[in-house]
Amino acid sequence: DAGVTQSPTHLIKTRGQHVTLRCSPISGHKSVSWYQQVLGQGPQFIFQYYEKEERGRGNFPDRFSARQFPNYSSELNVNALLLGDSALYLCASSPELNNSPLHFGNGTRLTVT
Amino acid sequence: AQSVTQLGSHVSVSEGALVLLRCNYSSSVPPYLFWYVQYPNQGLQLLLKYTSAATLVKGINGFEAEFKKSETSFHLTKPSAHMSDAAEYFCAVSQNSGGSNYKLTFGKGTLLTVNP
Repeated sequence: DAGVTQSPTHLIKTRGQHVTLRCSPISGHKSVSWYQQVLGQGPQFIFQYYEKEERGRGNFPDRFSARQFPNYSSELNVNALLLGDSALYLCASSPELNNSPLHFGNGTRLTVT
Repeated sequence: AQSVTQLGSHVSVSEGALVLLRCNYSSSVPPYLFWYVQYPNQGLQLLLKYTSAATLVKGINGFEAEFKKSETSFHLTKPSAHMSDAAEYFCAVSQNSGGSNYKLTFGKGTLLTVNP
Protein backbone atom coordinates (compact mmCIF):
# COMPACT_ATOMS: atom_id res chain seq x y z
CA ASP A 1 0.00 0.00 0.00
CA ALA A 2 1.17 3.51 -0.73
CA GLY A 3 2.11 5.65 2.24
CA VAL A 4 1.20 9.28 2.79
CA THR A 5 2.11 11.20 -0.33
CA GLN A 6 2.79 14.92 -0.45
CA SER A 7 3.25 17.23 -3.39
CA PRO A 8 5.27 19.01 -4.44
CA THR A 9 8.43 17.76 -2.74
CA HIS A 10 10.19 21.09 -3.07
CA LEU A 11 8.91 24.58 -3.72
CA ILE A 12 10.45 28.04 -3.95
CA LYS A 13 8.25 31.09 -3.50
CA THR A 14 8.74 34.82 -3.09
CA ARG A 15 7.62 36.85 -0.08
CA GLY A 16 4.00 37.90 -0.36
CA GLN A 17 3.01 35.02 -2.63
CA HIS A 18 0.53 32.28 -1.88
CA VAL A 19 1.23 28.55 -1.74
CA THR A 20 -0.87 25.38 -1.76
CA LEU A 21 0.53 22.10 -0.46
CA ARG A 22 -1.22 18.81 -1.07
CA CYS A 23 -1.48 15.58 0.87
CA SER A 24 -2.97 12.19 0.05
CA PRO A 25 -3.46 10.01 3.12
CA ILE A 26 -3.04 6.28 3.30
CA SER A 27 -6.06 4.56 1.81
CA GLY A 28 -8.77 4.21 4.45
CA HIS A 29 -7.35 6.88 6.72
CA LYS A 30 -9.90 9.56 7.58
CA SER A 31 -7.80 11.95 9.65
CA VAL A 32 -5.11 14.27 8.31
CA SER A 33 -2.81 16.50 10.34
CA TRP A 34 -0.35 19.16 9.23
CA TYR A 35 2.92 20.07 10.94
CA GLN A 36 5.57 22.69 10.23
CA GLN A 37 9.21 21.79 10.86
CA VAL A 38 11.62 24.70 10.78
CA LEU A 39 15.26 23.77 10.28
CA GLY A 40 16.80 22.60 13.53
CA GLN A 41 13.49 22.34 15.37
CA GLY A 42 10.88 19.72 16.05
CA PRO A 43 7.61 19.72 14.10
CA GLN A 44 4.87 22.11 15.25
CA PHE A 45 1.19 21.26 14.98
CA ILE A 46 -0.80 23.37 12.52
CA PHE A 47 -4.13 21.61 11.88
CA GLN A 48 -6.00 18.36 12.25
CA TYR A 49 -8.94 17.42 10.03
CA TYR A 50 -11.32 14.50 10.34
CA GLU A 51 -14.20 13.71 8.05
CA LYS A 52 -13.70 17.08 6.31
CA GLU A 53 -14.06 19.06 9.53
CA GLU A 54 -11.35 20.96 11.37
CA ARG A 55 -10.79 19.28 14.71
CA GLY A 56 -7.77 21.13 15.97
CA ARG A 57 -5.70 24.19 15.25
CA GLY A 58 -2.25 25.15 16.48
CA ASN A 59 -0.84 28.57 17.24
CA PHE A 60 -0.49 29.80 13.65
CA PRO A 61 -1.76 33.04 12.08
CA ASP A 62 -4.87 33.21 9.92
CA ARG A 63 -2.63 33.24 6.85
CA PHE A 64 -2.58 29.48 7.30
CA SER A 65 -5.67 27.57 6.26
CA ALA A 66 -6.50 24.04 5.24
CA ARG A 67 -9.29 21.84 4.05
CA GLN A 68 -10.07 18.17 3.61
CA PHE A 69 -11.89 16.77 0.63
CA PRO A 70 -14.48 13.95 0.40
CA ASN A 71 -11.72 11.52 -0.62
CA TYR A 72 -9.88 12.53 2.61
CA SER A 73 -7.02 14.24 0.78
CA SER A 74 -6.07 17.64 2.13
CA GLU A 75 -4.62 20.98 1.13
CA LEU A 76 -2.67 23.44 3.24
CA ASN A 77 -2.75 27.02 2.05
CA VAL A 78 -0.47 29.81 3.19
CA ASN A 79 -1.10 33.40 2.11
CA ALA A 80 1.21 36.42 2.13
CA LEU A 81 4.31 34.29 2.59
CA LEU A 82 7.03 35.48 4.95
CA LEU A 83 10.66 34.44 5.04
CA GLY A 84 9.90 32.71 8.34
CA ASP A 85 7.47 30.37 6.60
CA SER A 86 10.42 28.54 5.06
CA ALA A 87 10.20 25.04 6.49
CA LEU A 88 9.44 21.40 5.88
CA TYR A 89 5.68 20.90 5.93
CA LEU A 90 4.67 17.44 7.05
CA CYS A 91 1.35 15.76 6.55
CA ALA A 92 0.31 12.83 8.70
CA SER A 93 -2.69 10.56 8.41
CA SER A 94 -4.37 8.15 10.80
CA PRO A 95 -7.29 5.76 10.48
CA GLU A 96 -9.46 7.48 13.06
CA LEU A 97 -9.52 10.73 15.00
CA ASN A 98 -8.24 9.39 18.28
CA ASN A 99 -5.91 6.73 19.58
CA SER A 100 -4.49 5.57 16.30
CA PRO A 101 -0.91 6.12 15.23
CA LEU A 102 0.13 8.95 12.92
CA HIS A 103 1.79 8.02 9.62
CA PHE A 104 3.91 10.84 8.24
CA GLY A 105 4.70 11.69 4.65
CA ASN A 106 8.14 12.83 3.53
CA GLY A 107 7.09 16.45 3.52
CA THR A 108 7.19 19.46 1.23
CA ARG A 109 10.27 21.65 1.55
CA LEU A 110 9.14 25.28 1.14
CA THR A 111 11.71 28.00 0.63
CA VAL A 112 10.57 31.62 0.71
CA THR A 113 12.99 34.17 -0.76
CA ALA B 1 0.20 23.39 28.34
CA GLN B 2 2.35 20.38 27.65
CA SER B 3 6.00 20.47 26.68
CA VAL B 4 8.95 18.22 26.04
CA THR B 5 12.65 18.85 26.67
CA GLN B 6 15.27 16.76 24.97
CA LEU B 7 18.62 16.97 26.72
CA GLY B 8 21.47 17.05 24.24
CA SER B 9 20.99 18.19 20.68
CA HIS B 10 23.72 15.83 19.51
CA VAL B 11 24.74 12.42 20.86
CA SER B 12 27.65 10.46 19.44
CA VAL B 13 28.25 6.77 20.21
CA SER B 14 30.41 3.99 18.87
CA GLU B 15 28.91 1.08 17.02
CA GLY B 16 27.89 -1.55 19.57
CA ALA B 17 27.68 0.92 22.44
CA LEU B 18 24.61 1.78 24.50
CA VAL B 19 22.33 4.46 23.11
CA LEU B 20 20.63 6.76 25.64
CA LEU B 21 18.55 9.69 24.44
CA ARG B 22 16.95 11.80 27.16
CA CYS B 23 13.47 13.25 27.24
CA ASN B 24 11.65 15.05 30.05
CA TYR B 25 8.04 16.11 29.76
CA SER B 26 5.71 18.54 31.42
CA SER B 27 2.02 17.76 31.49
CA SER B 28 -0.90 18.67 33.69
CA VAL B 29 -2.71 15.45 32.80
CA PRO B 30 -1.47 11.88 32.34
CA PRO B 31 0.39 12.08 29.06
CA TYR B 32 0.69 10.05 25.93
CA LEU B 33 4.39 9.98 25.05
CA PHE B 34 6.14 9.06 21.82
CA TRP B 35 9.53 8.66 20.23
CA TYR B 36 9.88 9.27 16.50
CA VAL B 37 12.89 8.89 14.22
CA GLN B 38 13.61 11.00 11.15
CA TYR B 39 16.13 9.97 8.51
CA PRO B 40 17.50 12.64 6.14
CA ASN B 41 14.94 13.96 3.67
CA GLN B 42 12.20 11.78 5.09
CA GLY B 43 9.19 12.15 7.33
CA LEU B 44 8.91 10.83 10.86
CA GLN B 45 8.56 7.18 11.75
CA LEU B 46 7.05 6.06 15.05
CA LEU B 47 9.50 4.07 17.20
CA LEU B 48 7.29 3.52 20.22
CA LYS B 49 4.56 5.06 22.34
CA TYR B 50 3.42 5.13 25.95
CA THR B 51 -0.32 5.25 26.55
CA SER B 52 -0.62 4.51 30.27
CA ALA B 53 -0.24 0.77 30.02
CA ALA B 54 3.15 -0.81 30.84
CA THR B 55 5.79 1.70 31.91
CA LEU B 56 8.52 -0.08 29.93
CA VAL B 57 7.67 0.22 26.27
CA LYS B 58 9.36 -1.78 23.54
CA GLY B 59 9.52 -0.39 20.04
CA ILE B 60 10.90 -1.20 16.66
CA ASN B 61 14.56 -1.74 15.77
CA GLY B 62 15.48 -2.80 19.32
CA PHE B 63 14.61 0.49 20.99
CA GLU B 64 12.76 0.80 24.27
CA ALA B 65 11.76 3.57 26.65
CA GLU B 66 10.72 3.70 30.27
CA PHE B 67 8.06 6.04 31.61
CA LYS B 68 9.07 7.39 35.03
CA LYS B 69 6.36 9.57 36.49
CA SER B 70 8.42 10.61 39.53
CA GLU B 71 11.15 11.92 37.25
CA THR B 72 8.78 13.10 34.44
CA SER B 73 11.08 11.29 32.06
CA PHE B 74 10.72 9.03 29.02
CA HIS B 75 14.29 8.23 27.99
CA LEU B 76 14.99 6.15 24.88
CA THR B 77 17.56 3.37 25.00
CA LYS B 78 19.08 0.69 22.80
CA PRO B 79 21.65 -1.76 24.14
CA SER B 80 23.85 -1.86 21.05
CA ALA B 81 24.00 0.86 18.40
CA HIS B 82 24.09 0.05 14.70
CA MET B 83 25.33 2.33 11.95
CA SER B 84 21.79 2.36 10.57
CA ASP B 85 20.55 4.03 13.79
CA ALA B 86 22.17 7.31 12.79
CA ALA B 87 19.27 9.76 12.47
CA GLU B 88 17.42 12.48 14.32
CA TYR B 89 15.17 11.40 17.18
CA PHE B 90 12.19 13.33 18.48
CA CYS B 91 10.31 12.91 21.72
CA ALA B 92 6.69 14.06 21.68
CA VAL B 93 3.71 14.41 24.00
CA SER B 94 0.07 14.63 23.02
CA GLN B 95 -2.88 16.33 24.61
CA ASN B 96 -4.44 13.37 26.33
CA SER B 97 -7.91 14.81 26.27
CA GLY B 98 -7.84 14.85 22.50
CA GLY B 99 -6.66 11.33 22.03
CA SER B 100 -3.24 9.86 21.49
CA ASN B 101 -2.75 11.24 18.01
CA TYR B 102 -3.98 14.75 18.69
CA LYS B 103 -1.81 17.86 18.56
CA LEU B 104 1.57 16.33 19.26
CA THR B 105 4.10 18.66 20.88
CA PHE B 106 7.63 17.72 19.83
CA GLY B 107 10.99 18.35 21.39
CA LYS B 108 13.77 19.98 19.40
CA GLY B 109 15.31 16.66 18.52
CA THR B 110 18.54 14.81 19.19
CA LEU B 111 20.87 13.97 16.34
CA LEU B 112 22.42 10.55 16.89
CA THR B 113 25.78 9.85 15.25
CA VAL B 114 27.17 6.30 15.25
CA ASN B 115 30.91 5.95 14.76
CA PRO B 116 32.43 2.76 13.31
